[in-house]
Amino acid sequence: GAVVSQHPSRVICKSGTSVKIECRSLDFQATTMFWYRQFPKQSLMLMATSNEGSKATYEQGVEKDKFLINHASLTLSTLTVTSAHPEDSSFYICSAIAGTGEETQYFGPGTRLLVL
Amino acid sequence: AQKVTQAQTEISVVEKEDVTLDCVYETRDTTYYLFWYKQPPSGELVFLIRRNSFDEQNEISGRYSWNFQKSTSSFNFTITASQVVDSAVYFCALSEDRSNTGNQFYFGTGTSLTVIP
Repeated sequence: GAVVSQHPSRVICKSGTSVKIECRSLDFQATTMFWYRQFPKQSLMLMATSNEGSKATYEQGVEKDKFLINHASLTLSTLTVTSAHPEDSSFYICSAIAGTGEETQYFGPGTRLLVL
Repeated sequence: AQKVTQAQTEISVVEKEDVTLDCVYETRDTTYYLFWYKQPPSGELVFLIRRNSFDEQNEISGRYSWNFQKSTSSFNFTITASQVVDSAVYFCALSEDRSNTGNQFYFGTGTSLTVIP
């Protein structure tokens, strides 16, 4: 099956710093990628949808300037948490769809962010 | 109000039993999508199904089946002959089409399924 990787898998940073998380589709071209956030023992939240070459579409309540998403190529999307604070600590997950009209999402293994 | 309700927080079944996970949604839209996802203990999410609001046909995929009932705003998920590997948290989700401002996506709180050998 299709593989999606995320890097790093775990990151600890100081408050005020920015953290970049990469999401790569390894064996297919991803026209659309999604970024999710999951708090410990809580449900998931879709943060944004990104299409290659265009601006990301953010869900209501998600700060665009705080969570910068760049989908520069068909195999890479990045999420940058700017000026991270302890409340940004979470499990960030990406997924990708292989083409327009495709339904199946392939998920990355997630990135655990801890902001001290 | 909760847009997606998964009333069952935790379910335990014995292997080979059938189990149904309930999902009730709320929307005023005529066009929307419903999803089910699986999150095993490893944490990596697995997409199971996407169903659009105009397709009320039930879906069967191996031991998995989904029952979409618009009349009751439900999209229930049944696992037949459950196996230990089915132990996971299952999330139901709703996507409403907001063409101008982007889709609005809602997850249920998840149902933790434990299959006992």
